[in-house]
Amino acid sequence: DAGITQSPRHKVTETGTPVTLRCHQTENHRYMYWYRQDPGHGLRLIHYSYGVKDTDKGEVSDGYSVSRSKTEDFLLTLESATSSQTSVYFCATAIQGYEQYFGPGTRLTVT
Amino acid sequence: KNEVEQSPQNLTAQEGEFITINCSYSVGISALHWLQQHPGGGIVSLFMLSSGKKKHGRLIATINIQEKHSSLHITASHPRDSAVYICAVGAETSGSRLTFGEGTQLTVNP
Repeated sequence: DAGITQSPRHKVTETGTPVTLRCHQTENHRYMYWYRQDPGHGLRLIHYSYGVKDTDKGEVSDGYSVSRSKTEDFLLTLESATSSQTSVYFCATAIQGYEQYFGPGTRLTVT
Repeated sequence: KNEVEQSPQNLTAQEGEFITINCSYSVGISALHWLQQHPGGGIVSLFMLSSGKKKHGRLIATINIQEKHSSLHITASHPRDSAVYICAVGAETSGSRLTFGEGTQLTVNP
């Protein structure tokens, strides 16, 4: 258990509102990732970080932004939520960028 | 065609049966991962391998790099093994990023 928490765990929001999801880790892992999980798809990478202030886009980054100002926190922001962003969001961390440790997930519903 | 294909998508077994889940991939990889996602949603890493075979308890993972294929075996299956099993690959050109299969839903009945 890499000590990864996500907040909130559940959220319902309306279309057009901004939403920020937080991932917090206590293991000092360098790499952090945000994924979304949807039926019919594997986990898909939204954004990832390879260090403080170092982030890059994944395969489904449109409509999402991230920030990492401290090693332990990686924030995912939906600037203006849409119904297509209803999903389960997982954060993960890794030491050397290989084996990944996953947070418990956040279920987001956009109505 | 997805870079990572798993089969079967769904698998139902009786307690005690030997189970095999397959994963095929289409890119050169640095490592392949097997993950388990329980009904509550949590995801844990089972294996990371780049060659040969690894064993942990009743779980065995094998990989054939030449054929771009991996298998996850569960011996003496138990209802508590019921979960989604996910294959993921770290491509040689993708740095630390992983590409995931869609998962195999395993149900083991008592």
